[in-house]
Amino acid sequence: DAKTTQPTSMDCAEGRAANLPCNHSTISGNEYVYWYRQIHSQGPQYIIHGLKNNETNEMASLIITEDRKSSTLILPHATLRDTAVYYCIVLTGTASKLTFGTGTRLQVTL
Amino acid sequence: GAVVSQHPSRVICKSGTSVKIECRSLDFQATTMFWYRQFPKQSLMLMATSNEGSKATYEQGVEKDKFLINHASLTLSTLTVTSAHPEDSSFYICSASFGGGVQEIQYFGPGTRLLVL
Repeated sequence: DAKTTQPTSMDCAEGRAANLPCNHSTISGNEYVYWYRQIHSQGPQYIIHGLKNNETNEMASLIITEDRKSSTLILPHATLRDTAVYYCIVLTGTASKLTFGTGTRLQVTL
Repeated sequence: GAVVSQHPSRVICKSGTSVKIECRSLDFQATTMFWYRQFPKQSLMLMATSNEGSKATYEQGVEKDKFLINHASLTLSTLTVTSAHPEDSSFYICSASFGGGVQEIQYFGPGTRLLVL
């Protein structure tokens, strides 16, 4: 599975959009981009995934560049409850093992 | 989304005893379940992959005789930490695959915090 690179930490004001980048320059054609987050002392939570088209659900939007070498997770109106570590993971979507890197620690502030 | 539960949420035990952790998929059947371990301020590390009705596949460095995994049904997997020692104290998290096909999603349980005295 392709390796990903994410910033270590980010801050975002409550109510503003949080844009979390992920670099996956070695992604192959059949690999999906998945995003999970882990709130402190809880199990990870699935957010969204995509292959090449932009995706949106009730939690977030996923923007994947045309060359698929990077993507951005967008939380449109961040709240304090969105404070968590966000993980960008690339893998083939058939019960593959998830490899969690260090992720991005997002701190949402008042 | 799909719901995965774990029991117990927290356990304290004496060194040398065994501890069983249950992982259940509440509203779906999961052919595959996964067990992770997370030490403080570290990321999740996959321990093993569990398939219903077959032996678990352990990651390199994980002792299969120490961490016994049973996946007896499509909704239940158990992890038994045998002869636990203080260094086994950690946050144990399970997940279950949902959806099947090309785009399976893993849903995670809330985790079990184990403290071995």
